[in-house]
Amino acid sequence: GENVEQHPSTLSVQEGDSAVIKCTYSDSASNYFPWYKQELGKGPQLIIDIRSNVGEKKDQRIAVTLNKTAKHFSLHITETQPEDSAVYFCAASGGSARQLTFGSGTQLTVLP
Amino acid sequence: DGGITQSPKYLFRKEGQNVTLSCEQNLNHDAMYWYRQDPGQGLRLIYYSQIVNDFQKGDIAEGYSVSREKKESFPLTVTSAQKNPTAFYLCASSMVGTNQPQHFGDGTRLSIL
Repeated sequence: GENVEQHPSTLSVQEGDSAVIKCTYSDSASNYFPWYKQELGKGPQLIIDIRSNVGEKKDQRIAVTLNKTAKHFSLHITETQPEDSAVYFCAASGGSARQLTFGSGTQLTVLP
Repeated sequence: DGGITQSPKYLFRKEGQNVTLSCEQNLNHDAMYWYRQDPGQGLRLIYYSQIVNDFQKGDIAEGYSVSREKKESFPLTVTSAQKNPTAFYLCASSMVGTNQPQHFGDGTRLSIL
């Protein structure tokens, strides 16, 4: 089945700096890669997703890049703000594992 | 507003008891899911259902049971056979089809007394 590894597990940045979170996946047939933001005591919220027919997608301060050859994808947050502090999860699906397989999460802390 | 409602937010169980977690959605989604989240780990799939009266086991179904009698509802029962039930349980829903985004409720935290 699919295996998704996520790094780093914790990330601290100064307000205004950029943050990058990386994920690798094992199943070359996977073709859908969402990112979720989870605040304390809440459920995950979808913030951006990308399908394998594109290499990059942007939504304001958030972007995701996909490298199908290397089987990795990354979340980029620019001009970070304290409200960006949360746990971020990557996930992959579409290959032999038809349902989403999640990474282990990254705790992002934006320092004021 | 459309969304997913999980209840209760906190639940306590005594050893040997079954407990049922509620999940209701008004997004008109056909597919619903249950995940378990442990500290420092990602979400693991317990059960999912793509249509009323049908459901499939996920990666960690042992000790859990579900039903899907209505499109809007997908309750999860944590049975006494689940040896380590303390966790945060998340319900999600989506449209049926390849690679549809999943929308999550705010979870139920289950603890053992």
